[in-house]
Amino acid sequence: DSGVTQTPKHLITATGQRVTLRCSPRSGDLSVYWYQQSLDQGLQFLIQYYNGEERAKGNILERFSAQQFPDLHSELNLSSLELGDSALYFCASSVDPEPGGTQYFGPGTRLLVL
Amino acid sequence: GESVGLHLPTLSVQEGDNSIINCAYSNSASDYFIWYKQESGKGPQFIIDIRSNMDKRQGQRVTVLLNKTVKHLSLQIAATQPGDSAVYFCAVFSGSARQLTFGSGTQLTVLP
Repeated sequence: DSGVTQTPKHLITATGQRVTLRCSPRSGDLSVYWYQQSLDQGLQFLIQYYNGEERAKGNILERFSAQQFPDLHSELNLSSLELGDSALYFCASSVDPEPGGTQYFGPGTRLLVL
Repeated sequence: GESVGLHLPTLSVQEGDNSIINCAYSNSASDYFIWYKQESGKGPQFIIDIRSNMDKRQGQRVTVLLNKTVKHLSLQIAATQPGDSAVYFCAVFSGSARQLTFGSGTQLTVLP
């Protein structure tokens, strides 16, 4: 158990809909990262927040947004969903502000868009 | 941008043998490298890392080698065990570009 929690575990929705994925980092970690893992794209870094501020941005679509709240939990919002958004979404946390630090991954949220 | 590729998508080794998983990267400014292990149904798990000012780092049964000249990174697992069966990813970080890029992963299968 990494100490990072993600909810929900599974999510099934339809194209065009909007969903919110939630992540609670390990106690004491200020950085939260979001990743998308699909069969054909591998693990893609989406975005990082550190202590409430956006720190680094990866291949995140404009339809996707994230935020980190004062209690350090984070939410990833996915809107206007398309079939291709079906994937595993991982959250990770770390102590470091730099994306290159050791990251602890949660169990993931499996999203299926029908 | 950075591209990161693994040489083999799958690797099978006999239990007890050593495993070597390779990774190539494109950005010579990359300065931090990480190996992750992902078991089926779980999130990636940190194994070992190395900074660009080093060329070798050892952990428990694992060694990472970095060759900056040819932009190549490898993970060596000694005395491979059944519990080592997983997908292994390399990740490459460039501080100047603030980009973290993962390779596509190598599925390691340990044969009895």
